[in-house]
Amino acid sequence: KAGVTQTPRYLIKTRGQQVTLSCSPISGHRSVSWYQQTPGQGLQFLFEYFSETQRNKGNFPGRFSGRQFSNSRSEMNVSTLELGDSALYLCASSSSGLPNTGELFFGEGSRLTVL
Amino acid sequence: DQQVKQNSPSLSVQEGRISILNCDYTNSMFDYFLWYKKYPAEGPTFLISISSIKDKNEDGRFTVFLNKSAKHLSLHIVPSQPGDSAVYFCAARGSGGYQKVTFGTGTKLQVIP
Repeated sequence: KAGVTQTPRYLIKTRGQQVTLSCSPISGHRSVSWYQQTPGQGLQFLFEYFSETQRNKGNFPGRFSGRQFSNSRSEMNVSTLELGDSALYLCASSSSGLPNTGELFFGEGSRLTVL
Repeated sequence: DQQVKQNSPSLSVQEGRISILNCDYTNSMFDYFLWYKKYPAEGPTFLISISSIKDKNEDGRFTVFLNKSAKHLSLHIVPSQPGDSAVYFCAARGSGGYQKVTFGTGTKLQVIP
């Protein structure tokens, strides 16, 4: 069973540009969550999508957005990039069944560097 | 507001000894707790979890203890092995339907051969 796939793995952008990251969840998983990892801050929750609907959202500015497609693939977009957006962006998928134990399956992440 | 806290950024342990990683939380509505392990250049992988109705869960060399009154959980690794060297994240999920998973800042464990 293929795992969570994130593309691109590495990218470099300059301030003011925008970026789009892609995530393909494990087959059959309908929930996709996005996290930002920076040194000393752990994994900060960005948002979670289920069946093309955003169910949860973290405390990030509106420059961070996302969406999910009917095949459960998800994208996140960051506009007007700032130096502080440099981070590892992790996507995680989970099954939709309840009770939800919170077990997430992560991709390897997309490493964004903003210059 | 850091609802899940790991106050030790790093920990060094000799091979064969016990590793104890600690985690504190502030939200009393959390009802499920998880530990993840992360190697460099890889995504976190699920290690072990515990429901709030239990105080201990064991899986091989890994045991998680939950003290609800103190809002504290710990992960014990016995015996520690060099391959256990990684960053360990504590995480928690709220009760009621689907809730987001909140992560701590992580503890970097180094097991010295």
